[in-house]
Amino acid sequence: DIVLTQSPDTLSLSLGERATLSCRASQSLIGSYLAWYQQKPGQAPRLLIYAASSRATDTPDRFSGSVSGTDFTLTISRLEPEDYAVYYCQHYFKSRFTFGPGTRVDIK
Amino acid sequence: QLHLQESGPGLVKPSETLSLNCSVSGGSIVSGNHFWGWIRQSPGRQLEWIGTLYYTGPSNYNPSLKSRVTISRDVSRNHFSLELTSVTAADTAAYYCARGTYSDSVEFDVWGQGTLVTVSS
Repeated sequence: DIVLTQSPDTLSLSLGERATLSCRASQSLIGSYLAWYQQKPGQAPRLLIYAASSRATDTPDRFSGSVSGTDFTLTISRLEPEDYAVYYCQHYFKSRFTFGPGTRVDIK
Repeated sequence: QLHLQESGPGLVKPSETLSLNCSVSGGSIVSGNHFWGWIRQSPGRQLEWIGTLYYTGPSNYNPSLKSRVTISRDVSRNHFSLELTSVTAADTAAYYCARGTYSDSVEFDVWGQGTLVTVSS
């Protein structure tokens, strides 16, 4: 089974700073079947990025996704107050979905 | 606008069956472009896919839960359901229903608000 590892576990940054979140797969992923979700306390996850780099509807353009081999990256170019949350990556393969453990973005 | 709403008991006794419904409004669950799923989240944060219901063909389940899970649909009521048998404290979690979309990848693009289920006697 494919395992997704996210790093760091927690990222403490100030408003306006750049956030770089990593999601690494245990093996090469077929295609770009990688999505990113944002979850705020007490809320359901919200789709941010799909196909590794495509922004979902209503996702601000300060969010971007990229891929290099088995390493996927979510970048928030300039942190806004509403961006402090937990971010999860998710992969789909052979009819199965796998989620990463999440990265929490905290206010420094 | 599509809206999903989970409903069901918030407390289930160990060894009993957890049953949840997901009511869908603003769209039909009979859609060849979409699929429907259940995901749960333990108190420790980890999201776990439970299973997926497709427009045609059988449902797919997480292998770790497959022996205990059934996901079904009621087209007349435009809702789909989750049954998880023989529950234990490890099944305590927030349970989410979601719509999935096939695009350039496969992901869940609309989620319900979630419902917390506690397994306890």
